[in-house]
Amino acid sequence: AQTVTQSQPEMSVQEAETVTLSCTYDTSENNYYLFWYKQPPSRQMILVIRQEAYKQQNATENRFSVNFQKAAKSFSLKISDSQLGDTAMYFCAFMNRRDDKIIFGKGTRLHILP
Amino acid sequence: DVKVTQSSRYLVKRTGEKVFLECVQDMDHENMFWYRQDPGLGLRLIYFSYDVKMKEKGDIPEGYSVSREKKERFSLILESASTNQTSMYLCASSFGAPSGTSEQFFGPGTRLTVL
Repeated sequence: AQTVTQSQPEMSVQEAETVTLSCTYDTSENNYYLFWYKQPPSRQMILVIRQEAYKQQNATENRFSVNFQKAAKSFSLKISDSQLGDTAMYFCAFMNRRDDKIIFGKGTRLHILP
Repeated sequence: DVKVTQSSRYLVKRTGEKVFLECVQDMDHENMFWYRQDPGLGLRLIYFSYDVKMKEKGDIPEGYSVSREKKERFSLILESASTNQTSMYLCASSFGAPSGTSEQFFGPGTRLTVL
């Protein structure tokens, strides 16, 4: 069975700093997606970034980038120049291509401090 | 833009009541999902559906049932609500393989309190 582990329940950083959220996963699959989702306080969950396992290049979306280490089964999220609006719960998630089901980590609550 | 809507943002029910949570998506997605979100536990899958009238159990189906009579609508039913079902319920939808990118789109959630 696949598992997703986020080892940091809560983090705080100052505005404009760079922060890295950790995620590891366990699977015997070879064809899968990894995601980072963001859930702002009292707001809808949205996708931040997606990585396909067969792609070696790390995904990037503006200030958000990932460090995907397939052999180590690690998928960390880096937020550069953090902004107050980045304050949210962040979920790392795994999906194998066979059944479209997503397995979520327990989340990291990130606070961006002014 | 994809839109996933849920019938209520907040709901208060009494123990033993039958509860219906409705979810509607407007993007013709094949897949629909119901999760519950609890502090420290993340999101846990209750049920999902790949197509109309199809349903599959997720990780925690006990005490719940679902209905999908139309492609755009997926209902979660608590036959006899209990206090341990107090939680945030999230609905999500996605395209099925191979047409989609597998991203799930989420509704705003329903915070259910069972007294």
